[in-house]
Amino acid sequence: QVQLQESGPGLVKPSQTLSLTCTVSGGSISSANYYWSWVRQPAGKGLEWIGRVSATGSTKNNPSLKSRVTISVDTSKNQFSLKLSSVTAADTAVYYCARVGRYCKDISCPNYYYHYYMDVWGKGTTVTVSS
Amino acid sequence: DIQMTQSPSSLSASVGDRVTITCRASQNISNYLNWYQQKPGTAPKFLVYTASRLQRGVPSRFSGSGSGTDFTLTITTVQPEDFATYYCQQSYSPYTFGQGTKLEIK
Repeated sequence: QVQLQESGPGLVKPSQTLSLTCTVSGGSISSANYYWSWVRQPAGKGLEWIGRVSATGSTKNNPSLKSRVTISVDTSKNQFSLKLSSVTAADTAVYYCARVGRYCKDISCPNYYYHYYMDVWGKGTTVTVSS
Repeated sequence: DIQMTQSPSSLSASVGDRVTITCRASQNISNYLNWYQQKPGTAPKFLVYTASRLQRGVPSRFSGSGSGTDFTLTITTVQPEDFATYYCQQSYSPYTFGQGTKLEIK
């Protein structure tokens, strides 16, 4: 079955760029049936969706993070990545990557009609922002 | 942005109890509503989509309902493994989570 694994530095200095990679195994990231997403969770707090990318590189991000977020995909490596710029202590969190599946009750649906959900998750990686 | 508000923030229950968690959206999201379960130190687990459809493998004691702005997740007979935090998430535009409801052992 599909598995996701996050990787990247566990410590980032304030004002620098946080970079994480999610490696997908057991399935192809190139499938048109899925998006690929990042979610984060500060210690003791709730989940925050960061953004998602398609296999073609199309992205959609959380407006609250404005232009600090860049999500990209590398189909040759079966990976997708997150870059978060100008980090502060508020960006300290566990970062999860997740597969976004979709459902439509009809045989053929336009994209806007699908129901999307995060059905496969990585185990998460802790990133601390500190000097 | 669509805000999701869960209630209660926490609740205590005994094994065998029936529990209901409520999620309210700040605007009409039809049935674009998912539920997740998270245990300490682990990633969230996907439970319910389209407000009421159970993901494969999710026990039938879980059920979801609702449409528009008001949704519920019900566990008919709470089992020891169900004590966790539950999150709703809207996928209407684009994705927002509720703040979570912690189900604790009484």
